Amino acid sequence: NAGVTQTPKFQVLKTGQSMTLQCAQDMNHNSMYWYRQDPGMGLRLIYYSASEGTTDKGEVPNGYNVSRLNKREFSLRLESAAPSQTSVYFCASGHHSTNEKLFFGSGTQLSVL
Amino acid sequence: AQSVAQPEDQVNVAEGNPLTVKCTYSVSGNPYLFWYVQYPNRGLQFLLKYITGDNLVKGSYGFEAEFNKSQTSFHLKKPSALVSDSALYFCAVRASGNTPLVFGKGTRLSVIA
Repeated sequence: NAGVTQTPKFQVLKTGQSMTLQCAQDMNHNSMYWYRQDPGMGLRLIYYSASEGTTDKGEVPNGYNVSRLNKREFSLRLESAAPSQTSVYFCASGHHSTNEKLFFGSGTQLSVL
Repeated sequence: AQSVAQPEDQVNVAEGNPLTVKCTYSVSGNPYLFWYVQYPNRGLQFLLKYITGDNLVKGSYGFEAEFNKSQTSFHLKKPSALVSDSALYFCAVRASGNTPLVFGKGTRLSVIA
């Protein structure tokens, strides 16, 4: 049982480049989330998808786009990367309509030069 | 809007001593409260949650937390700390309905042998 799988684990970009972070879960969860973790800032929600076919902005959505490709997959895209987007990105999944726990991926460490 | 405060960036405790990691919250209506732990280079792992019922909640690895409605607090506790408990701890809250989890900034726990 793989849980939540994120790719890539590490990435270095130049300012202005684009990339997509991939996330997949095999637990049949209806909700998926993208967070970023920065020192002293904790985890901040970028976007989430409460169910297949829906997406909503979180606390820090600017500069990002998301796609809920199907129930299993939720991708995060940086169209034009900026140094301020240097961070560790975590994908998570769970059942949004209940109060069950979230399951997290192992993270993507992104550096934008 | 809901929010979480973890007033201590760092908590140091000697092995075998009791530990407390503090958390206060602000939310409209009844809160749903969670604690997660993050070990180095890993994603977050669920420890315990309070939804309703008994104010003292028991979770994984011997941790427990006490919900105090009048003080809007949900402090994490363990009677006897282990060196292996050293990690980053996050408190999180959500309001009822379909709002996503909001995390605190995290508290780094160091248990010294």
